[in-house]
Amino acid sequence: DAGITQSPRHKVTETGTPVTLRCHQTENHRYMYWYRQDPGHGLRLIHYSYGVKDTDKGEVSDGYSVSRSKTEDFLLTLESATSSQTSVYFCAISDSEDSGSPLHFGNGTRLTVT
Amino acid sequence: GQNIDQPTEMTATEGAIVQINCTYQTSGFNGLFWYQQHAGEAPTFLSYNVLDGLEEKGRFSSFLSRSKGYSYLLLKELQMKDSASYLCAVSDSNYQLIWGAGTKLIIKP
Repeated sequence: DAGITQSPRHKVTETGTPVTLRCHQTENHRYMYWYRQDPGHGLRLIHYSYGVKDTDKGEVSDGYSVSRSKTEDFLLTLESATSSQTSVYFCAISDSEDSGSPLHFGNGTRLTVT
Repeated sequence: GQNIDQPTEMTATEGAIVQINCTYQTSGFNGLFWYQQHAGEAPTFLSYNVLDGLEEKGRFSSFLSRSKGYSYLLLKELQMKDSASYLCAVSDSNYQLIWGAGTKLIIKP
């Protein structure tokens, strides 16, 4: 299995507080992604990175920011958490942007915003 | 807009065969993926189709028809451990993945 670790695994926070989720990989893969998964929806891309300090927005990026200062770490920050950001967050990696290259996912972070 | 449709839930019997369908409408097509996701766990890669036809991998097979915007995942000799959600995803013209909401498969003894 691809070496991807997400932390924390569970987080409960209050509305308006900042939250940072961490994704760490040991595969030296270039591409890293943050998704959220909500009932009744497909996985939705928040942000992705194609290299150190190279990031771009996905379809649901509002309210989120990311940073990638090292190949192995990709951080997702909610500057001021809202209840609509209660979700399960998955980090994923791939070694290529080629269409056939599958994503490998971390075990997810369950975030609850009260 | 871009859209992936899958049935929300299906039920099948242990030892039987089940077919999970996926239809898609996307701007461009660069391949279709199937992933398996057990409850509370991460999605894991099952198959990739980019050309029309059937790809077989053990008990699992995946079929693609690009002209019909249609794929299916076929699971044979169902086992209780196959109870999971099955996610269909299409790579569009920009190589972005568009995901279906997933099909929850319930296996009964």
